[in-house]
Amino acid sequence: AQSVTQLDSHVSVSEGTPVLLRCNYSSSYSPSLFWYVQHPNKGLQLLLKYTSAATLVKGINGFEAEFKKSETSFHLTKPSAHMSDAAEYFCVVVLNTGGFKTIFGAGTRLFVKA
Amino acid sequence: EAQVTQNPRYLITVTGKKLTVTCSQNMNHEYMSWYRQDPGLGLRQIYYSMNVEVTDKGDVPEGYKVSRKEKRNFPLILESPSPNQTSLYFCASSPRQNYGYTFGSGTRLTVV
Repeated sequence: AQSVTQLDSHVSVSEGTPVLLRCNYSSSYSPSLFWYVQHPNKGLQLLLKYTSAATLVKGINGFEAEFKKSETSFHLTKPSAHMSDAAEYFCVVVLNTGGFKTIFGAGTRLFVKA
Repeated sequence: EAQVTQNPRYLITVTGKKLTVTCSQNMNHEYMSWYRQDPGLGLRQIYYSMNVEVTDKGDVPEGYKVSRKEKRNFPLILESPSPNQTSLYFCASSPRQNYGYTFGSGTRLTVV
């Protein structure tokens, strides 16, 4: 069965310190992987995506993620957190089965302390 | 401006009263999809469409219908809403399967 697990429901960091949001996936097919961000009372915005090219993917706002097939992971990182990064982050798998089946993780809420 | 437009943004209705949430995109995208968001569950796919007249079920299709008669529109229909369909709904579109979505602003539905 296909699934996405975000290992932390909440992460709290201080402004200026690194951010790590963890995501593991399970898929019988070669997946495409995405990270989205949702600010309070807003829609979702694409941060970055992996679609079988470079395993280290750079996104917007200084975020990046590394696809590790052996660990079935796609963790999101940022070297230095900013107050504006406080939001909910979703790891997403799109199954390359000819359809458009999409699986979201449950989300990780990022808190940034001043 | 390229966007996905959902209407209404907020809706309170009563059990059993049919309703439609509209979704329209102006980017000529082939793929469109509906999701519901519930606390602690992330977003779950209800239905998706890969082109006009081509739709398929996601993970939670029960109680919902969709249609794709035109490329730009993908309405979500609740024939007989129930309180367990109270949720935040998002429509999204994409030009191709692995491109990433553009999301609408959401529709908060309450069924009493």
